[in-house]
Parts: sequence; structure tokens; C-alpha cells
Amino acid sequence: DVKVTQSSRYLVKRTGEKVFLECVQDMDHENMFWYRQDPGLGLRLIYFSYDVKMKEKGDIPEGYSVSREKKERFSLILESASTNQTSMYLCASSWTGYGYTFGSGTRLTVV
Amino acid sequence: QKEVEQNSGPLSVPEGAIASLNCTYSDRGSQSFFWYRQYSGKSPELIMFIYSNGDKEDGRFTAQLNKASQYVSLLIRDSQPSDSATYLCAVMNSGNTPLVFGKGTRLSVIA
Repeated sequence: DVKVTQSSRYLVKRTGEKVFLECVQDMDHENMFWYRQDPGLGLRLIYFSYDVKMKEKGDIPEGYSVSREKKERFSLILESASTNQTSMYLCASSWTGYGYTFGSGTRLTVV
Repeated sequence: QKEVEQNSGPLSVPEGAIASLNCTYSDRGSQSFFWYRQYSGKSPELIMFIYSNGDKEDGRFTAQLNKASQYVSLLIRDSQPSDSATYLCAVMNSGNTPLVFGKGTRLSVIA
């Protein structure tokens, strides 16, 4: 089975901190994605990547950046965490044209 | 703006009944359609995908697609309390564009 591993299940950070969320997949998927999920708002795409060192903005990229230096790893960076970035963050990966496999998620709280 | 619409629910069905979950999409060029199940506090899990008009069956699950009506549905036969979850519909326009997710329908199967 494809495994998508997110480094932390729960994270508490202070306002203004730089936050790194890591995601690693083990099935050589070319595509990787970062979503956040909030009650009533559904899944919202933050950034995605179709190849190493490539990145594309999703629907809500403001306040975030990403890094993909290796095919299996896709990192989400909150440059200066704010309370409105408190959310569930979900990483996913896929082969082109196929459904996504999601990681178990990171519940981030910014205080 | 490409949209995927689902009734938020909750949809309540008795144990053993057929649960019918519906989804409409706005982009007529959409090619691939996915159903995800998400238990409370967990990440989405892919349960069905369909590419062609008609029905596709997998165990107790049947996905139905009608591209002319821009409509996709998921039927769950012999519903069980363990099927209680939020079901997300997702649509892909082409092989290399991100999935567009609906906000999900919450299903409650009453024992």
C-alpha cells in the first residue's frame, strides 16, 4: 500500500513562528499536494507540485510556501504563523490521472 | 470557477438500507470522478473511482456517472453503522489538474 507520512499528528505553535510541516511518500508518485481542511469550508488546496523543484499555487497560497527538493518529500512552510492558520493540514500524493492518497494529517494550533 | 456540489446532510438511513449520495459538477470537461470516505478526525480514504458513463460496482458500493447531466452518485447497499462518515466527491478535469472536492455529505447509519 502507498504510504504518505506526515511528520506530526498534533502541533502547537506560537504566533509569528516559522512552521515546517513535512510529508513523505514511498510510492514514487510524481504529484504531491497540500490541503487544509476547516469545518464548513471543506478541503482547500494550498500548493501542489508535479515534479521535483516545481511548485504551483493552489486556491489559498497566501502565508504559505513549499519546498520539493526530493521526489518523495514535500514540505509546507508557514512563514509567520497566525491564528487563522489553525487548521487540519493534509498532504496527498498521486500518479498523474489517478486518485490521491492522503497522509493522516497534522492538526496545527497557533496560539 | 469549477465547482462540485454536494448536499451537506446529515443523511440518515437505517441499518440495512441503501444510502444514496449525490454530487453535481460544473465543468463539462471533467473526465475522472472519485469518492472518498472520511471518518471523523481521520483523513480521506479513496473508495471508488469512475471514468465512463454508467455504473461501476465494488462490493456494497456502486458509483454512477451521467456526464450529460453532470451528475455522479454513490450507492451503498446494506448500509452498516460503520459506514457512518462524511463522503467527499472529487472531480478531475484532465490528467494533470488538481482534484476539485465537494464539501462532503455526512452519512449516519442508524442501528
